[in-house]
Formats: sequence, C-alpha cells, structure tokens
Amino acid sequence: EAQVTQNPRYLITVTGKKLTVTCSQNMNHEYMSWYRQDPGLGLRQIYYSMNVEVTDKGDVPEGYKVSRKEKRNFPLILESPSPNQTSLYFCASGLYNSPLHFGNGTRLTVT
Amino acid sequence: DQQVKQNSPSLSVQEGRISILNCDYTNSMFDYFLWYKKYPAEGPTFLISISSIKDKNEDGRFTVFLNKSAKHLSLHIVPSQPGDSAVYFCAATNKLIFGTGTLLAVQP
Repeated sequence: EAQVTQNPRYLITVTGKKLTVTCSQNMNHEYMSWYRQDPGLGLRQIYYSMNVEVTDKGDVPEGYKVSRKEKRNFPLILESPSPNQTSLYFCASGLYNSPLHFGNGTRLTVT
Repeated sequence: DQQVKQNSPSLSVQEGRISILNCDYTNSMFDYFLWYKKYPAEGPTFLISISSIKDKNEDGRFTVFLNKSAKHLSLHIVPSQPGDSAVYFCAATNKLIFGTGTLLAVQP
C-alpha cells in the first residue's frame, strides 16, 4: 500500500530535549516536505526536499533541521524544542507539481 | 502575509444541498491550485485540482471554479453528504501554499 508513515503519532517532551520525528514513504517520490498545522494559520511549510541531499527552507524553518540521506526518509529534527513548537506536524511526499500524499500527523507538545 | 486566504472558517449546509467553499489568492504567478480534505486524526488527502489555463474542473460531485481576474477559486460540492464533513484546504503550487482551511459540516 502506498503510504507516508510518520512516527510517533503523539509526543510530549520538555523544553530543550532533542527529538526526531521520522517520516518514510514507499512511493519512490523525489519531493518530500514537512508542514505544521496551527489553529487559524492553516498548514505552513517548514522544510522541503527536492531529492536526496537537496533540502531547502520553507516558510517557518526556525528551530528545525532536516536531512535527506535516502530517498524514502525525511526526518524532522528539533535540536532544542520550545513551547512555541507545540503543534501538529505533517510529512508529505510527491512528484514535483503533483498532488502530495500526507502522513497521518504527529501531535507534539513541548512543556 | 497570507498569500492564500480562506475567509470562512466554517460552513454548515443541509444534506443534499450545495456546499460552496471559497478561496482567494494574491499572487498572479500561481498556475496550479488544489483542494485537500482533512478528517480529524488524519493527514490531508487530495481532492481536486485545476490549472490556470482552465476555469473549471469537475470530478463527480466536486467542481472547482477558477476566476483568474478576481484571483478567486471555489469548490462546489453537489449534493453534499454527511461524509463530506471535514476541513477543506485550498493550496497553490509550487511550494503548496495553503489557506487556513474551512470546516464544513453537513447536517443530515
């Protein structure tokens, strides 16, 4: 089954404790992206990747890192999480300029 | 500065009637628009798209209209069904800039 898999689905952590949210897709897509969803703000892009070893900032990249060492994986790294990063995160993949496939989301709470 | 705007946070319609969801954009360079549907606890799923060379695209009960001069697009759902109740996001390529979403509630 074609899918984008994010883990974990729920995460509660404390300020400053490094964490990684994993994202994996099995559709051989070149393009992958991370979004965060906040009330009243819709979905905002954090980082995206056009292919292996090619990443670029989206609209809200501060406080986040990504890597794309393999085509299928695109982890989101928060080196020192802060409460304003409490949000619902979505990973997506697709062929460029085609509809994206989204994962089911990761709800992160930073206390 | 919101480049893609959905000014109605919510919409309630009766089953069987038409649902019209609206979206405005500011960048005339956008050439491809999409609508996504999102249920709680799930990721957004692609619904329908339209290229800027068209003014209408239809897929079953769903039709998207594009008015380039007004920088406005709309999604029509006819007839609306309770299972259509979800948050609907419009988005513009290339970087998939999303609107803030409209929560549609279809009342049985």
